[in-house]
Amino acid sequence: GAGVSQTPSNKVTEKGKYVELRCDPISGHTALYWYRQSLGQGPEFLIYFQGTGAADDSGLPNDRFFAVRPEGSVSTLKIQRTERGDSAVYLCASSLTGQGAVLTGELFFGEGSRLTVL
Amino acid sequence: GEDVEQSLFLSVREGDSSVINCTYTDSSSTYLYWYKQEPGAGLQLLTYIFSNMDMKQDQRLTVLLNKKDKHLSLRIADTQTGDSAIYFCAEKDNDYKLSFGAGTTVTVRA
Repeated sequence: GAGVSQTPSNKVTEKGKYVELRCDPISGHTALYWYRQSLGQGPEFLIYFQGTGAADDSGLPNDRFFAVRPEGSVSTLKIQRTERGDSAVYLCASSLTGQGAVLTGELFFGEGSRLTVL
Repeated sequence: GEDVEQSLFLSVREGDSSVINCTYTDSSSTYLYWYKQEPGAGLQLLTYIFSNMDMKQDQRLTVLLNKKDKHLSLRIADTQTGDSAIYFCAEKDNDYKLSFGAGTTVTVRA
């Protein structure tokens, strides 16, 4: 597709369950970002990939959160032992190169995966 | 994020101008941005301004930057119903990380 694709668009799970959220960035974009947007708030940075490696994971709230990007394209955000406080919209974004992001900050965002933990 | 603050709501009549204000704390920010989020959609970059500029105009959009007061504003001229959305101010913390405000919900009434 032409844009950043995220699946699932909605996920309802029970407290304590494991969840995976997938992001398919724009083809050729080497930089990939995960943000979390809680209700009534702006997006908060979670993790940044440049290629296959996580260049900055300082925004991950705790060790229940983990993200991978094994082939430098699709990324999966993994949340273990989910808690009600994890309920949010998880946004993925990509940019052409890290330098492109430096120059203009133009991140292309997906529509997000809305996670609800009951 | 807590480093970027903006008013939460704005109601404006169709055809009038909208002004959305934002304050930020990081004086070393090189770029500042305005993103738009429509219901059910991802964030879309509207415009950005480099920190050595004080104004940028792009069609109906005018961005004003007061670096001394760390104040950023977005003016939308001739506001239309399609401008109803949440508008986020963001600053670049480093080479890649953006810090967003909580968003201003703009409602355009007929």
